[in-house]
Amino acid sequence: QSALTQPASVSGSPGQSITISCTGTSSDVGGYNYVSWYQQHPDKAPKLIIYNVKSRPSGVSSRFSGSKSGNTASLIISGLQAEDEAEYYCCSYTSSNALVLFGGGTKLTVL
Amino acid sequence: EVQLVQSGAEVKKPGESLKISCKVSGYSFTSYWIGWVRQMPGKGLEWMGVLHDGDSDSRYSPSFQGQVTISGDKSISTAYLQWSSLKASDTAIYFCARHIPVGPAVINDYWGQGTLVTVSS
Repeated sequence: QSALTQPASVSGSPGQSITISCTGTSSDVGGYNYVSWYQQHPDKAPKLIIYNVKSRPSGVSSRFSGSKSGNTASLIISGLQAEDEAEYYCCSYTSSNALVLFGGGTKLTVL
Repeated sequence: EVQLVQSGAEVKKPGESLKISCKVSGYSFTSYWIGWVRQMPGKGLEWMGVLHDGDSDSRYSPSFQGQVTISGDKSISTAYLQWSSLKASDTAIYFCARHIPVGPAVINDYWGQGTLVTVSS
């Protein structure tokens, strides 16, 4: 099964807002409100930052938010900080046998 | 405090077998699922499969079905990922992650530190 589609890279300056998109199909992103987002710094384990499209785990900054429209989910990071520079992965439930489908990842560069 | 601690890096030859582990603490091992995620060098995350309820049945991504075995020992709160015959293409970092069932889906809220497996002749 193909991975969800994310842009390879995005960039922004400190203080700005950026959006990372995640496009799937009606069998995954579009069909269910089970999209999550993970942040991964180099040589570290992924960290859950958004689940169920727009919910934030305890301890995650309110600068991170999520939304979904049709087959595309989005991660919005406001007030960019240097520490936000990382790889970001979307993830969705899929009605196929795979259960879990990740996006290809987006590298965020803070200029 | 919830912790998932994985076994150390491994260097193996093609054709060899391997079993890596993920020991959990800070919660009841049988209350949540444990799954495995692969990250090949410089690449993204790939979901491999999940162990249900500590040591009962497992579910695999079609891409990994028949290639690996996921198991667990609830007496020591440890999940395992096993290969019977490694290939060079199995070279990757493998993460375990706690899976919380939410409806038909799962949320991976806690992750192990990763185990680097290198397969080279």
